[in-house]
Amino acid sequence: QVQLVQSGAEVKKPGASVKVSCKASGYTFTGYYMHWVRQAPGQGLEWMGRINPNSGGTNYAQKFQGRVTMTRDTSISTAYMELSRLRSDDTAVYYCARAPTTTVTTFFDYWGQGTLVTVSS
Amino acid sequence: EIVLTQSPGTLSLSPGERATLSCRASQSVSSSYLAWYQQKPGQAPRLLIYGASSRATGIPDRFSGSGSGTDFTLTISRLEPEDFAVYYCQQYGSSPPNTFGQGTRLEIK
Repeated sequence: QVQLVQSGAEVKKPGASVKVSCKASGYTFTGYYMHWVRQAPGQGLEWMGRINPNSGGTNYAQKFQGRVTMTRDTSISTAYMELSRLRSDDTAVYYCARAPTTTVTTFFDYWGQGTLVTVSS
Repeated sequence: EIVLTQSPGTLSLSPGERATLSCRASQSVSSSYLAWYQQKPGQAPRLLIYGASSRATGIPDRFSGSGSGTDFTLTISRLEPEDFAVYYCQQYGSSPPNTFGQGTRLEIK
């Protein structure tokens, strides 16, 4: 069965960076784009961007351009999302989500369990 | 930019009742590219409906989606105790990509 298992919670200071991992299993990792979506406490969902695990090509939401980097390691079927220059309003649960289509605009059929990133001085 | 507005904000119903959740878009959603997700506390969203009306794998048939253009509806025909959660709609037909509504909380009356 498809599983996306994310790394554990992180606490970071403002200005620092955080790198979240998402290990995929149960399907061919390079066959599906991986997206990242975040959810601030008590808030809705916000799309951040995606990576093509096959080529490594990325597309980022305009809001996060210049601060987010998505990478992957195909040898261990893992995708990564790194967010830099953290601010307090980056405090959120970060999800990886698999897309069943190749377009940037897509829905998400499987989600990781989420990683809470807390930014606090 | 397409803005999705979900209503009501909170819906209070009893098990066995019918639930009707609305998602209204500020502009027409291309090709009915609209999805619905269920989220329970402390859990990730779960895909229910895509393409406005197609049920995702394993989703019970008491969940149905309908609509086109700017008005979409998620209907739960007979509420089960496990259906009480927050529901989000998402459009994936236009840029900026993959925007979500603010959610409807379905609570037990």
